[in-house]
Amino acid sequence: GEDVEQSLFLSVREGDSSVINCTYTDSSSTYLYWYKQEPGAGLQLLTYIFSNMDMKQDQRLTVLLNKKDKHLSLRIADTQTGDSAIYFCAEIPPSGGYNKLIFGAGTRLAVHP
Amino acid sequence: DAGVIQSPRHEVTEMGQEVTLRCKPISGHDYLFWYRQTMMRGLELLIYFNNNVPIDDSGMPEDRFSAKMPNASFSTLKIQPSEPRDSAVYFCASTLRGGQGFTDTQYFGPGTRLTVL
Repeated sequence: GEDVEQSLFLSVREGDSSVINCTYTDSSSTYLYWYKQEPGAGLQLLTYIFSNMDMKQDQRLTVLLNKKDKHLSLRIADTQTGDSAIYFCAEIPPSGGYNKLIFGAGTRLAVHP
Repeated sequence: DAGVIQSPRHEVTEMGQEVTLRCKPISGHDYLFWYRQTMMRGLELLIYFNNNVPIDDSGMPEDRFSAKMPNASFSTLKIQPSEPRDSAVYFCASTLRGGQGFTDTQYFGPGTRLTVL
């Protein structure tokens, strides 16, 4: 089936690193995405990775991709209270003509002092 | 760029009433998507358009839901008659396929929070 899986909750202390994990479904997906949703707001693209890459770093964000295991992770270094949000992993598989984003249920990140 | 614009931001209506949600995609984008977000079902793709033409409406829950895109800068999602179970946040998103970078990135609007009493 088309289920992108994520853990639902993560709680970290301010200043620590956060790691959010995701398992996607289709090894043919060309791009994999991380979206962030703050309370009462829409989804904001955080970062993405192309399927021929293993890692992508963008300031405090590091994305790791393991194609063999269809595992994607997002690491946030030096997590701040402003990082508290829901993080969605998403893939865009060929089964939908590369048009349909398949989202996970989202991981709610809580950052406490 | 103003981003994807949605209106209204909040809508409260009574069961049986018609509801119309509106979306203005990012200028130049050729794909437009309507999503629904609920606690129980997460994010669901309802329908998407390419160059104003509906391509896949398999996610539309039932005949009470309809969507149109009369031109490249405007789309509507209509629910008639509305029911309490339609209460959700409805997002519109747009993208440009094959554009520079070709990341298929979808840009989301702020959403319309619909409450049907």
